[in-house]
Amino acid sequence: KNQVEQSPQSLIILEGKNCTLQCNYTVSPFSNLRWYKQDTGRGPVSLTIMTFSENTKSNGRYTATLDADTKQSSLHITASQLSDSASYICVVSTPSMNYGGSQGNLIFGKGTKLSVKP
Amino acid sequence: SQTIHQWPATLVQPVGSPLSLECTVEGTSNPNLYWYRQAAGRGLQLLFYSVGIGQISSEVPQNLSASRPQDRQFILSSKKLLLSDSGFYLCAWSVLVGEANEKLFFGSGTQLSVL
Repeated sequence: KNQVEQSPQSLIILEGKNCTLQCNYTVSPFSNLRWYKQDTGRGPVSLTIMTFSENTKSNGRYTATLDADTKQSSLHITASQLSDSASYICVVSTPSMNYGGSQGNLIFGKGTKLSVKP
Repeated sequence: SQTIHQWPATLVQPVGSPLSLECTVEGTSNPNLYWYRQAAGRGLQLLFYSVGIGQISSEVPQNLSASRPQDRQFILSSKKLLLSDSGFYLCAWSVLVGEANEKLFFGSGTQLSVL
């Protein structure tokens, strides 16, 4: 069964500290892996997209890694800020002919809720 | 630039009442459009997707329906709401960014409470 598991479920850190969020998946075949940031009561916003051949991608203070062999990904946040408080969602895509373009079938994790405290 | 509008932001409806949520996209043509639902403590669930006007595919059987009367308009409806329809509803559109990647953009969401 295609699944995406994220850990921890929630995390509290102090402003300025670094943190790493984990994502393990059992999705096959694999198309790409995405990390989204979702502020409370808002829609998710894309942070990174990585294909099979990419093992790291950065977006400012956010760095995502991908190990396609072990089916694991991480999102590292450097020098956290209060505005980083949000849910971070890992999404894995598997190819599907049922969708337009190459969108494929997206399997969403439940997210990690990050709280950055002053 | 492309933008996606979704309204209303919050909605409180009694059980058995009808529902209409609207989503429009600007700055692009022939987008793929999606409706997702996010229940508390759960991942996003795809409800409907559309690759063109009048073309709707449903992912899960439910009390809801979707329509796409215009290229950039996507509507989520129900004739009679159930308590279980409560949740956070997200509209999204996608664009191809390279050979294998399609980037998904979400609206700001509608928090629906059925009482």
